[in-house]
Amino acid sequence: GDSVTQMEGPVTLSEEAFLTINCTYTATGYPSLFWYVQYPGEGLQLLLKATKADDKGSNKGFEATYRKETTSFHLEKGSVQVSDSAVYFCALSDSGSGYSTLTFGKGTMLLVSP
Amino acid sequence: DVKVTQSSRYLVKRTGEKVFLECVQDMDHENMFWYRQDPGLGLRLIYFSYDVKMKEKGDIPEGYSVSREKKERFSLILESASTNQTSMYLCASSLLGSGSNQPQHFGDGTRLSIL
Repeated sequence: GDSVTQMEGPVTLSEEAFLTINCTYTATGYPSLFWYVQYPGEGLQLLLKATKADDKGSNKGFEATYRKETTSFHLEKGSVQVSDSAVYFCALSDSGSGYSTLTFGKGTMLLVSP
Repeated sequence: DVKVTQSSRYLVKRTGEKVFLECVQDMDHENMFWYRQDPGLGLRLIYFSYDVKMKEKGDIPEGYSVSREKKERFSLILESASTNQTSMYLCASSLLGSGSNQPQHFGDGTRLSIL
């Protein structure tokens, strides 16, 4: 079945540092890939998405490129802020099942200190 | 903006009680989903629905049921609550769309404690 593997956290960075959160996936079809963010006490929010190979999703300074050859969708940001502290989830949606359900990774907590 | 509203942020119930968690979305989405979120396990899909009165089991449906009588409302039911159902429950909705590229929109979650 489909699966998503994320690097374990927490990831601890100082403000303005470069961020990478690794995500790899296994899927039988041609999935769409997503990054969601969960701020403390809130639900998940869509951060960015990519729907086909070599697509780059970007939002709020974050970006991720859909790499089919390495089955990866790593999240990057050039300069993190304290307000980026949250849990980040990588997810895939594979229509091969007939329904657009999401398979999530276990999440990576990011802690940014001033 | 899409609004997904879960009826309670915090809920405390007792073992053996029948528990209802309610979710309402205001964007006429066809799909609705219930997940539970546990530390170290991420999000796991309990049930989903792609139309009124339709439901499909997710990865962990045991001990749960759902109801979708109206398009905008999707209820999760714990028939006889047990302590291992203490968790954060998240509702989501999405357009049916074509392919797999429709994002899901989430509510703020209900933190349920079973004593």
